[in-house]
Amino acid sequence: QVQLVQSGSELKKPGASVKVSCKASGYSFTNYAINWVRQAPGQGLEWMGWIHTNTGNPSYAQGFRGRFVFSLDTSVSTAYLQISILKAEDTAVYYCVRGLVDFDYWGQGTLVTVFS
Amino acid sequence: DVVMTQSPLSLHVTLGQSASISCRSSQSLVYSDGNTYLNWFQQRPGQSPRRLIYKVSKRDSGVPDRFSGSGSGTDFTLKISRVEAEDVGVYYCMQGTHWPPFTFGPGTKVDIK
Repeated sequence: QVQLVQSGSELKKPGASVKVSCKASGYSFTNYAINWVRQAPGQGLEWMGWIHTNTGNPSYAQGFRGRFVFSLDTSVSTAYLQISILKAEDTAVYYCVRGLVDFDYWGQGTLVTVFS
Repeated sequence: DVVMTQSPLSLHVTLGQSASISCRSSQSLVYSDGNTYLNWFQQRPGQSPRRLIYKVSKRDSGVPDRFSGSGSGTDFTLKISRVEAEDVGVYYCMQGTHWPPFTFGPGTKVDIK
């Protein structure tokens, strides 16, 4: 069965970096894009961008350019989200989601907490 | 960007009764291929979102037939017939026609009276 398993919660100080992983299984990884979606505490869903799993080409939504980097390791069917120069407002749950328009399978989410 | 609005933002439903959530887009969601890319998601408390409906009315595998989607153009509805306790959560619509960006509605919180 299709699964997206994300890495565990992270507690970071402002200015630090974090890398979230998303390991896919149950399907051919390069057949589907991976989206990243952010959910701030008590808030709704915000699309951050996507990565083409064949080419590795990322595309970022406005507001997520500069400090956010999407990457892949196709040898282990894993997508990554790296956030640098963390700010308090980056505190959120980050989800990886399969499929460019599909959004059919979601990871369990990774809580990133930024506090001093 | 396409703006998605939902109403109501909060819904209190009696068990066994039906509930309807409206979703409106700021422009038509009909794509050039004839499809309308409108998804509905359910997010139960403490869980990740789960897709219920895609392309307006197609129900995902394993989704009870109590859930149905309808609509066209800019107006869409998610109906839950015979609400059960497990239906408590937040429901989001999302458009996948005019991207980037993909945009979500603000969410409708459903709870039981």
